[in-house]
Amino acid sequence: EPEVTQTPSHQVTQMGQEVILRCVPISNHLYFYWYRQILGQKVEFLVSFYNNEISEKSEIFDDQFSVERPDGSNFTLKIRSTKLEDSAMYFCASRQGSGPLRNQPQHFGDGTRLSIL
Amino acid sequence: GENVEQHPSTLSVQEGDSAVIKCTYSDSASNYFPWYKQELGKGPQLIIDIRSNVGEKKDQRIAVTLNKTAKHFSLHITETQPEDSAVYFCAALKAAGNKLTFGGGTRVLVKP
Repeated sequence: EPEVTQTPSHQVTQMGQEVILRCVPISNHLYFYWYRQILGQKVEFLVSFYNNEISEKSEIFDDQFSVERPDGSNFTLKIRSTKLEDSAMYFCASRQGSGPLRNQPQHFGDGTRLSIL
Repeated sequence: GENVEQHPSTLSVQEGDSAVIKCTYSDSASNYFPWYKQELGKGPQLIIDIRSNVGEKKDQRIAVTLNKTAKHFSLHITETQPEDSAVYFCAALKAAGNKLTFGGGTRVLVKP
């Protein structure tokens, strides 16, 4: 069964450094997402991406964050200058969702654990 | 915005018993409600979903019910097995929306 893949599984970075989290969504999916889960808290929506642009973003997704689909398969989340509070599990998701099937399920990767020191 | 509350936060059951997890949502515009299972070291995996035009849906030992009037929905697992042990998340999505709003999760432990 096709799946969303994320790399790396664990990233340790010094505070203030830039980090890029990578995702390969399911190949025929059109909508891409990033969520994060701080330890002990709810999974929170960060951003959605469709047709090469951001379609929705949360208050968390400030100017330090950016997303990109650099080629036909990868979807990346960049944090420009990491803070301690960015430590969390980051999940990528994708869905097929077009036309009458717009509420197709979102499929999640296994996440990247980001630790900021 | 939407707020999803999930109860209980932990649930311990004997193998073979049933498990029920309940969620409430605040935004009546939400119309899609998936349930995810998360095993240790893995991402959330969709196990069942329900749309607002349906009151109940079943898939083998798993069922979900939805009460739109009361704005709550529940996951029922019958004949629980040790492999059902995991964290379960409910979520809600608004019509024409993009983002899933998650509940806080329920850690289910099935004791053999």
